[in-house]
Amino acid sequence: EAGVAQSPRYKIIEKRQSVAFWCNPISGHATLYWYQQILGQGPKLLIQFQNNGVVDDSQLPKDRFSAERLKGVDSTLKIQPAKLEDSAVYLCASSLGSLYQPQHFGDGTRLSIL
Amino acid sequence: QQQVKQSPQSLIVQKGGISIINCAYENTAFDYFPWYQQFPGKGPALLIAIRPDVSEKKEGRFTISFNKSAKQFSLHIMDSQPGDSATYFCAASIDSSASKIIFGSGTRLSIRP
Repeated sequence: EAGVAQSPRYKIIEKRQSVAFWCNPISGHATLYWYQQILGQGPKLLIQFQNNGVVDDSQLPKDRFSAERLKGVDSTLKIQPAKLEDSAVYLCASSLGSLYQPQHFGDGTRLSIL
Repeated sequence: QQQVKQSPQSLIVQKGGISIINCAYENTAFDYFPWYQQFPGKGPALLIAIRPDVSEKKEGRFTISFNKSAKQFSLHIMDSQPGDSATYFCAASIDSSASKIIFGSGTRLSIRP
């Protein structure tokens, strides 16, 4: 089966600019997650979707981050305006969403803020 | 209480040796404990997972030991190989309520040939 696809792989922008990331989950996976992984740390959940509804966005900085999952499949994560501390790898993951089902991760987008 | 504490931060093991990574948690509601392996430039991949109703789970060279009373769990990699060199993350979640996974801070493992 095809894995979780993310694009772009790398993005360099200046602070205060905007950026968007795209994720295509594994076919049939109802649950989609966006994580932020700062260098040297474990991934931190930003937002979790179940189909096209938000389950948990408690750690999403809503003043600058937004995410949507239209039609319950693909998802985009946007940052506007970007800050220096947003430099990180943004990982998308998906799962079937039922009990004890593993999360499958994409290879992420590495964002550098200048 | 939502944290998962992982140690050591980095580990160097000789080829053929045993690699041991330890984790501890506070929230007794956690009921699913996966371990993820991450290679540079790649996303984390599920390695092995355990639920608290068992004390040990083994898959090939990888074993999770779980101590519910001490709220600790560990990953043992037997006969460590250079290809095992990666960053390992322990994690925990309250999976019965589909809550988010909380990741540890990671252990960078290097296997010397």
